[in-house]
Amino acid sequence: DIQMTQSPSSLSASVGDRVTITCRASQTITRNLNWYQQKPGKAPNLLIYGASSLQSGVPSRFSGSGFGTDFTLTINSLQREDFATYFCQQSYSVPRTFGQGTRVELK
Amino acid sequence: QVQLVQSGAEVKKPGASVKVSCKASGYTFTTYWIHWVRQAPGQGLEWLGWIDTKNGATNYAQKFQGSVTMTRDSSINTHYMELRRLRSEDTAVYYCTRGVLLSGRGAFDFWGQGTMVTVSS
Repeated sequence: DIQMTQSPSSLSASVGDRVTITCRASQTITRNLNWYQQKPGKAPNLLIYGASSLQSGVPSRFSGSGFGTDFTLTINSLQREDFATYFCQQSYSVPRTFGQGTRVELK
Repeated sequence: QVQLVQSGAEVKKPGASVKVSCKASGYTFTTYWIHWVRQAPGQGLEWLGWIDTKNGATNYAQKFQGSVTMTRDSSINTHYMELRRLRSEDTAVYYCTRGVLLSGRGAFDFWGQGTMVTVSS
């Protein structure tokens, strides 16, 4: 199975900050990497697919980059509604696997 | 609009089985695979497997082989996930989610609201 490791596991930030979350795969997954946002009590929501493509309806302050094993999710100018938990997920092979999550909290 | 509506919360005893439903609307039912993902309280996301809605083919995570069965009823646009021999560690929110190819790469673009399954004696 491909292991996905996110860092940090949590971070504190202020409205307007730029936030970066990283995700590392245990083997190459080329660009088969997705990012999801999850708020308490809600299902995850797709933000980024194919490592860098913005899902329809997602604000442009979200961006993704990376290839192979190392990936990044960036949130420019953090907004109040962005305080949530973020997960990466590989779609390169089965079983599909997720990172452990990064909780973004208000400083 | 695309919707996946799941059945309500369940409380089961260890050793019992649970069957969760996921009713799809707003798209052609047989076009998309459905995946099942679970989340234990305060924990991350764990993939259980997928079902090809068109032909019923399935692929389960090795951990769940022998204990999970995914089926669908195309006459009522509904998917089902049955988990048998429940243990306390199976306590989790179970989600159905639609698998889609975006620019040739797989992702989960719509999710059900989740079904809480509690296993307790």
